Amino acid sequence: GAVVSQHPSRVICKSGTSVKIECRSLDFQATTMFWYRQFPKQSLMLMATSNEGSKATYEQGVEKDKFLINHASLTLSTLTVTSAHPEDSSFYICSARSGGEVFIQYFGAGTRLSVL
Amino acid sequence: AQTVTQSQPEMSVQEAETVTLSCTYDTSENNYYLFWYKQPPSRQMILVIRQEAYKQQNATENRFSVNFQKAAKSFSLKISDSQLGDTAMYFCAFMKHVGGSEKLVFGKGTKLTVNP
Repeated sequence: GAVVSQHPSRVICKSGTSVKIECRSLDFQATTMFWYRQFPKQSLMLMATSNEGSKATYEQGVEKDKFLINHASLTLSTLTVTSAHPEDSSFYICSARSGGEVFIQYFGAGTRLSVL
Repeated sequence: AQTVTQSQPEMSVQEAETVTLSCTYDTSENNYYLFWYKQPPSRQMILVIRQEAYKQQNATENRFSVNFQKAAKSFSLKISDSQLGDTAMYFCAFMKHVGGSEKLVFGKGTKLTVNP
């Protein structure tokens, strides 16, 4: 299957700082990427849908000014957690849809964010 | 809104035996897609199997097969000849495709342990 790379895998930051997470599709072009958040021992919750060249679509309850998403190319989407606070500590996972396999999302390995 | 229910928080099976994971969903849609994803301890989400709702034939991928009962809105996963590497969280997911939206809705997951 298609490969999605997510970086970094782990980040620890101080409260009030901003953190950027990258999601790259390595062997395919992804016009659409998705960002999820997973709390411990819980399921994945979609935060936003990222479309190349346009603004991201955020799910209800997700602060777009807090979680900035940029999808500047067909292989890269970034999620920036601005002014991070301890409650933002979580596991963030991205996925990308391969144009050749409709409706299948391939996932990155996730980023564990710890805000001190 | 669509919901996905996995009623078994945890299950265990002996190596080489067969295990079935349950999943039910609620939707008023007629055309949709169902997926089983595996999340091993590495946290990497891996697609196990998918089913298109318009197809009556149950999907099969090697040792993995599904029992799709559309009328009952049931989508169980059968793992045959269980292997130690099958130990993971298994998430059932629902997707509809309407107007370009491809939102995946996940169940809460079933933690499967394969015992030697």
